[in-house]
Amino acid sequence: KQEVTQIPAALSVPEGENLVLNCSFTDSAIYNLQWFRQDPGKGLTSLLLIQSSQREQTSGRLNASLDKSSGRSTLYIAASQPGDSATYLCAVRPGDYGQNFVFGPGTRLSVLP
Amino acid sequence: NAGVTQTPKFRILKIGQSMTLQCTQDMNHNYMYWYRQDPGMGLKLIYYSVGAGITDKGEVPNGYNVSRSTTEDFPLRLELAAPSQTSVYFCASSYTGGRGNTIYFGEGSWLTVV
Repeated sequence: KQEVTQIPAALSVPEGENLVLNCSFTDSAIYNLQWFRQDPGKGLTSLLLIQSSQREQTSGRLNASLDKSSGRSTLYIAASQPGDSATYLCAVRPGDYGQNFVFGPGTRLSVLP
Repeated sequence: NAGVTQTPKFRILKIGQSMTLQCTQDMNHNYMYWYRQDPGMGLKLIYYSVGAGITDKGEVPNGYNVSRSTTEDFPLRLELAAPSQTSVYFCASSYTGGRGNTIYFGEGSWLTVV
């Protein structure tokens, strides 16, 4: 059974720092991996989607990498801003084309001014 | 664009009561999903639908029912509410099942069963 973990559970950094969020999954047979942002009291917003054949995706200050063989993905945020404060979740889509994304519990990020 | 709209935003139910969470999307997406999110846990899939008239169980379907009579609407029915159903519920939709496309989420429905 696919399981997704995220470390750390919470992180506080001063504004301007570069930071890395980690996501690990137990079964490397995935179709894709997606990073989401969740603001308090809100739904999830997709940030980046990486297909299993890709190594990384970039969008603005965000860069997500995927190492399928080791079951790991990282989300790199450059020059963090207070507006980046949110919970970040990763989710994997199983390689059997199942409909169920398996979500990690999330990392709660606080960027301090 | 409205995207995915869920109602109600908050609801308190007594044990044994029933209710329906409403979900509507205006993006003409064929796939729709219901997830629940418990504190400190990831989202878990309750039910999903690949199109009007077609629904299937997810990981945690017990105590819930769904229907999909139109492309736009995917209501979630809670029968005989139990404290274990206290959670945040998210409806989501995507085109082609999200294999290469992103999933759009509603803003959530906070449900407390007392």
